[in-house]
Amino acid sequence: GAVVSQHPSRVICKSGTSVKIECRSLDFQATTMFWYRQFPKQSLMLMATSNEGSKATYEQGVEKDKFLINHASLTLSTLTVTSAHPEDSSFYICSVTRPSLNEKLFFGSGTQLSVL
Amino acid sequence: KQEVTQIPAALSVPEGENLVLNCSFTDSAIYNLQWFRQDPGKGLTSLLLIQSSQREQTSGRLNASLDKSSGRSTLYIAASQPGDSATYLCAVNTDKLIFGTGTRLQVFP
Repeated sequence: GAVVSQHPSRVICKSGTSVKIECRSLDFQATTMFWYRQFPKQSLMLMATSNEGSKATYEQGVEKDKFLINHASLTLSTLTVTSAHPEDSSFYICSVTRPSLNEKLFFGSGTQLSVL
Repeated sequence: KQEVTQIPAALSVPEGENLVLNCSFTDSAIYNLQWFRQDPGKGLTSLLLIQSSQREQTSGRLNASLDKSSGRSTLYIAASQPGDSATYLCAVNTDKLIFGTGTRLQVFP
């Protein structure tokens, strides 16, 4: 069964609105979750590392005020795209890892965001 | 800066063929390397994980090898089937996961 649940799978919104994407770890408590973005025909790019109970760590070039990450519990992280614009249209995927770095990563099913 | 490259970018073959997908990385200081499968508009499915101390892993018709010193990994798919059609991504794990650009595989009947 699924280890990671990501919701919604698809969202279409108007420019200027905010969109929240949820990522839930179903099988274990996840102190760390990762958020990735994938533009068409490009590879996945890490956006930020979400740490339970503390501020997320953002990769260079990712606007932390635009992509708000909240990891309030050990099983839930949320990514909010604030004031979305068409250039934010992308495929967003979260992943969860067990505490050991040598464990497999488990991925959500992804969210296709289309901003009109 | 770690860079991950996958060759070929796309591959179209008749079913039954044995395939080799290539992944190369520039910095050998990795914890592990993973191969993933991605179906259109879907999330990733982890296929194989090779630790930095290992040389290969096998799962069913899939075999992945790792040569850390030369910065290379290959994914071997035996007796390909139409259901294998997908994009295959490799990713190296340093302190974060860095993905290759993927190989789009199409297996036709």
